[in-house]
Amino acid sequence: DVKVTQSSRYLVKRTGEKVFLECVQDMDHENMFWYRQDPGLGLRLIYFSYDVKMKEKGDIPEGYSVSREKKERFSLILESASTNQTSMYLCASSGTGGFPYEQYFGPGTRLTVT
Amino acid sequence: AQSVTQLDSQVPVFEEAPVELRCNYSSSVSVYLFWYVQYPNQGLQLLLKYLSGSTLVKGINGFEAEFNKSQTSFHLRKPSVHISDTAEYFCAVTQSPGSNYKLTFGKGTLLTVNP
Repeated sequence: DVKVTQSSRYLVKRTGEKVFLECVQDMDHENMFWYRQDPGLGLRLIYFSYDVKMKEKGDIPEGYSVSREKKERFSLILESASTNQTSMYLCASSGTGGFPYEQYFGPGTRLTVT
Repeated sequence: AQSVTQLDSQVPVFEEAPVELRCNYSSSVSVYLFWYVQYPNQGLQLLLKYLSGSTLVKGINGFEAEFNKSQTSFHLRKPSVHISDTAEYFCAVTQSPGSNYKLTFGKGTLLTVNP
């Protein structure tokens, strides 16, 4: 089974703090994604990585950056957390072999910024 | 660019009743379509997908969906729901074939099954 794990299920941070959310997948997938999920807005793509050190902005990249130094790990960074970044963050991965469009999701990190 | 509209944000039903969750998409090219389910406090998991071929697609947990190209729809159905089907359901679309692997998601439909 594909497994995508996220470093924390719940996180509380203060405004202005630098926040790291980490995601690890064990299926040797090339593609990794960070989404933000808010009630009534569904999933919105923050950043996407299709290879180590390669990244592409999604629909809402402002206030976020990412890092992918190793194939299995994709980090989301909030340089200076703000209250409007309080949300559920979901990581996903997909391969490029076979059917590459099916994404596998982690359990999510619920971030609260106070 | 593609987009997805889930026509109902909430659908309450009684146990053992049938249910239909509606999804319409917009795209100028051929598409792949997906339904994902999110149980409370969990990530998303794939229910079913349409790639090509038969327009009726069967998924896990007794769900099925029908692709209708002329109406650009991909509605999800189950003939008899259980309490355990209470969850949020997301429809998603991507170009087929596409040069990237991004999915566009709808805003979700919260299915609540009452006893």
